[in-house]
Amino acid sequence: EVKLVESGGGLVQPGGSLRLSCAASGFNFSSYAMHWVRQAPGKGLEYVSTIGTNGGYTYYVNSVKGRFTISRDNSKNTLYLQMGYLKPEDMAVYYCARDFSSNGVPEYYFHYWGQGTLVTVSS
Amino acid sequence: DIVMTQSPDSLAVSLGERATINCKSSQSLLYSSKKNYLAWYQQKPGQPPKLLIYWASTRESGVPDRFSGSGSGTDFTLTISSLQAEDVAVYYCQHYYSVPLTFGGGTKVEIK
Repeated sequence: EVKLVESGGGLVQPGGSLRLSCAASGFNFSSYAMHWVRQAPGKGLEYVSTIGTNGGYTYYVNSVKGRFTISRDNSKNTLYLQMGYLKPEDMAVYYCARDFSSNGVPEYYFHYWGQGTLVTVSS
Repeated sequence: DIVMTQSPDSLAVSLGERATINCKSSQSLLYSSKKNYLAWYQQKPGQPPKLLIYWASTRESGVPDRFSGSGSGTDFTLTISSLQAEDVAVYYCQHYYSVPLTFGGGTKVEIK
């Protein structure tokens, strides 16, 4: 069974930092691109970032570029999102999601999702 | 960026009746491979989204056949042919034609 479990969310002040983790199990983690998608309270879904299978490819949406860093540790089956210079508009539930394709080339739609971790940015 | 516009924002449908959700993209999602780079997701309250449809009309494994996707180019539709109580949710379309990926604003489906 595919499982994605996010952790690391919490309350942080504007300008602060936080690192999210996503522990994966039930599939060959190193064969799949992985993504972060967020959802502000009561709002829709917003794509945040993608990382390729070996970490050599990364992509960020403009609103987080230069502040967030996506990474992965295939030996630990874990995806990360290091978030810095946090703003109130970054407040959201952050979901990690597995890409559909297992051939190493992302297809960019989301086959499995974690339950999410809530990041609250407030003073 | 490609803008995805869903309509309506919400709809109430009687049990057993048809529900139709529309999604329009600001540019064509039809690639030279003749595939439309569009997915649909269902999100129930308190849960993460669930993939329903990809390539605009391919149903994900395990998704009931009352869910169907259609359309091409810039105009797409998700149809629930006979609404069940468990289908109450918010539905999102998402393009994957290029990065950045973007989602529609969502359509809330309720029981009338």
